[in-house]
Amino acid sequence: DIQMTQSPSSVSASVGDRITVTCQASQDIGRWLAWYQQKPGKAPKLVIYAASNLQGGVPSRFSGSGSGTDFTLTISSLQPEDFATYYCQQANTFPFTFGPGTNVDIK
Amino acid sequence: QVQLVQSGAEVKTPGSSVRVSCKASGGTFGTYGVTWVRQAPGQGLEWMGGFTPPLTTPTYAQKLQGRLTVITDESTATAYMELSGLRSEDTAVYYCACGLMYYFEYWGQGTLVAVSS
Repeated sequence: DIQMTQSPSSVSASVGDRITVTCQASQDIGRWLAWYQQKPGKAPKLVIYAASNLQGGVPSRFSGSGSGTDFTLTISSLQPEDFATYYCQQANTFPFTFGPGTNVDIK
Repeated sequence: QVQLVQSGAEVKTPGSSVRVSCKASGGTFGTYGVTWVRQAPGQGLEWMGGFTPPLTTPTYAQKLQGRLTVITDESTATAYMELSGLRSEDTAVYYCACGLMYYFEYWGQGTLVAVSS
C-alpha cells in the first residue's frame, strides 16, 4: 500500500494567516492527489483534486501544488470557517489511502 | 448535484454483521461509483473499498478482504456495505462517498456503528 504522511500534524494560526500543509507519498503517484476538509461531526468535503484543481464552490484562497511524491495545500488568508482538519488522499493505486490529517486550529 | 442519504446508527455485538445503506439521488452509481470510508472515534479516514468506474467489480482494502461486501442496486439507487465478523475496533462512523475520477465529491451524512458486548 502507498503510505501518505502529512506535516505538520497540527498548526495553530490566526485569521488572515497564510498556512501550508504538506503531504508526502511513499511512491510516485503522479498528480493523483486530493485534499479534503473535515469539521467535527461532519463528512469530509473535497477541496482540491488532481493535486491543484480547485473543487467547485471552494474559495480561491485555497490552492494545491505538487506532483510525484510531494504535495502542498496552501490557504492564503485563513478565515474563521477554515479551521478544520485537512486530509490528503492518493487516487493513483488501490487502496486509495489517506494521510493522517492536519488539524488547523485557532491560535 | 448528487445527494447520498445513509441509514441510521447501529449497535452490534462482536461477531455479528452490519449492513449500512446509502441511497443516491441526482446521479447514479454507474456513473460515479461508490466508495465506503470509515472513521474510528478521534481517528483519521480509512478507505474501505467500493466500485470505481469503469471497473465493474468492487475493490476492497486487504485488511477487510473476506469481511467486507459492497453491492449496488441500480433499480433503487441504493448501495450497501456489509461488514461481518464485527470486532470492537470496527466501531466507527461509516461514510459512503462518490465522485468522478476517483475523487470523492459527494458524501453521505455518516452512520455510526458501535460494536460492544
